[in-house]
Amino acid sequence: DGGITQSPKYLFRKEGQNVTLSCEQNLNHDAMYWYRQDPGQGLRLIYYSQIVNDFQKGDIAEGYSVSREKKESFPLTVTSAQKNPTAFYLCASSIWVADETQYFGPGTRLLVL
Amino acid sequence: RKEVEQDPGPFNVPEGATVAFNCTYSNSASQSFFWYRQDCRKEPKLLMSVYSSGNEDGRFTAQLNRASQYISLLIRDSKLSDSATYLCVVTGMDSSYKLIFGSGTRLLVRP
Repeated sequence: DGGITQSPKYLFRKEGQNVTLSCEQNLNHDAMYWYRQDPGQGLRLIYYSQIVNDFQKGDIAEGYSVSREKKESFPLTVTSAQKNPTAFYLCASSIWVADETQYFGPGTRLLVL
Repeated sequence: RKEVEQDPGPFNVPEGATVAFNCTYSNSASQSFFWYRQDCRKEPKLLMSVYSSGNEDGRFTAQLNRASQYISLLIRDSKLSDSATYLCVVTGMDSSYKLIFGSGTRLLVRP
């Protein structure tokens, strides 16, 4: 089955801690994206990657970092600099960056202890 | 002003009803438009693209009005399973691949 997987489903972060959210896809898509969703709000773009070893900041990149060492994987690190990290994080991919049809993973809920 | 605006709802309708949602967007240069469906605590899933000529997929009809910069979604013969949040999505201002999401309209279909 092709698709996008995210882990963990729920993640708890302590103050001052960095945490990494996993995103893997076996769709052979070049482009991958990270979004954040807060209650009652639309999805906001954090980072995106057009191709391996390349990534660009989205609208709300401060306090986050990413890497794209493999085509299949696009992990997101929420650093201690992100002061309000509690949210639903969604990873998505598309065939290539100009393909507007994005497919989403099941998401990770991050909560701050 | 938000780039994409939607009435948050909820729209509470009986099974079998017809319901319509509108969405307005601010960027007249947006080229592509979509409706996504998001179930509670799940990821969004593409429902349908919206074309200038309008398009229909079963009970769902999408319309685009470029002059007034709004998009609509019509659901006929509502089913209980249609209960979800419907997200209006348009392409962004600075590049065609950047998607701008509305905050969604919640639909509740009751028996």
